[in-house]
Amino acid sequence: DAMVIQNPRYQVTQFGKPVTLSCSQTLNHNVMYWYQQKSSQAPKLLFHYYDKDFNNEADTPDNFQSRRPNTSFCFLDIRSPGLGDAAMYLCATSTPGTAGSNQPQHFGDGTRLSIL
Amino acid sequence: SQQGEEDPQALSIQEGENATMNCSYKTSINNLQWYRQNSGRGLVHLILIRSNEREKHSGRLRVTLDTSKKSSSLLITASRAADTASYFCAARGNNRLAFGKGNQVVVIP
Repeated sequence: DAMVIQNPRYQVTQFGKPVTLSCSQTLNHNVMYWYQQKSSQAPKLLFHYYDKDFNNEADTPDNFQSRRPNTSFCFLDIRSPGLGDAAMYLCATSTPGTAGSNQPQHFGDGTRLSIL
Repeated sequence: SQQGEEDPQALSIQEGENATMNCSYKTSINNLQWYRQNSGRGLVHLILIRSNEREKHSGRLRVTLDTSKKSSSLLITASRAADTASYFCAARGNNRLAFGKGNQVVVIP
């Protein structure tokens, strides 16, 4: 089945130690998103790619970076994780849609990041 | 900024009852989407209603949209234990999807 896969499901890292989360998709969607979701809160968009075009949200910390080497894969790099970065990180994909926006997003099951 | 906001935050019902959740947003939208999230999992898209639509059905789901009041509601009829989850509305506009805080729904068998 076509899907969005995130690895690993659980990641533990040390304070300040760089960590990379990965996302792959078999949907061949142009757009890929990274969200941060803290406990009992709404998902917060960090950035998204439209093909290779990177779009950063204004309030996303510089500590968060992303790479998209090809259509199928997208990575989230946290350069120096702090305790406040502990959260669920969700990857999602969508097509742009004929209207540019009337398309749902397809989510992976997320990576839960813990900081020691 | 636009932000979906659900009301109420938590709902506990008996199996077979209906569950209603409301959502409000602040600016103009292209569409309003509802998602479900089971504990520890990703979000699953349930239903999308366009800004020019007023009501939409999908199985046991009924969603309404009132653009004059900038509000939407999601009704789950004949709830099942498997409907236990968090439900998020998301307002689509300005090329971004803004999620609300979510409703925790618990369906008691």
